[in-house]
Amino acid sequence: GQNIDQPTEMTATEGAIVQINCTYQTSGFNGLFWYQQHAGEAPTFLSYNVLDGLEEKGRFSSFLSRSKGYSYLLLKELQMKDSASYLCAASDSNYQLIWGAGTKLIIKP
Amino acid sequence: IAGITQAPTSQILAAGRRMTLRCTQDMRHNAMYWYRQDLGLGLRLIHYSNTAGTTGKGEVPDGYSVSRANTDDFPLTLASAVPSQTSVYFCASSENSAGPGDTQYFGPGTRLTVL
Repeated sequence: GQNIDQPTEMTATEGAIVQINCTYQTSGFNGLFWYQQHAGEAPTFLSYNVLDGLEEKGRFSSFLSRSKGYSYLLLKELQMKDSASYLCAASDSNYQLIWGAGTKLIIKP
Repeated sequence: IAGITQAPTSQILAAGRRMTLRCTQDMRHNAMYWYRQDLGLGLRLIHYSNTAGTTGKGEVPDGYSVSRANTDDFPLTLASAVPSQTSVYFCASSENSAGPGDTQYFGPGTRLTVL
């Protein structure tokens, strides 16, 4: 079956760095997406990886290892506004997205 | 303002009633999607449309129907609502449906409660 695993909740301190991991099993693979979702709001796109390696975009970076079925989202210089859920989604052989349940990130001052 | 709109924002519905959730996008995207989001679960695809005039079933289509008469609109209908359909419903769109990295953009969601 198809499955996405990510931690349910993480806590980090303002100004620090946090890494949110995601492992996936899909029938076929056409890339890995990360979305941010603030409470009561819609998910918004953060990053897309299809090749192995690290993609950096400002304070946020995303890493992919296709051989390990593994990705992580790295958030640097954490700000209070980064408190949100982070959703991992893998694109399968039909280009449909398989979604993880999301990681709720709590930032403490 | 470009984007996706959904209506209503929230709704309380009696079981057995019919309900249509509306979704409109002005980005001229070919593909549109309906998801439901429940606590502790990932977004689950209900129905999708790769282009105007075509629709397909997602992971959890039972009890729901859709139509795609034109590019912009993608309504979701619950023919006879049941309490298990209580959820937050998100409509999304992407430029195309079968290309690598086709990013999906989401509407603000409809919070539906079925009593």
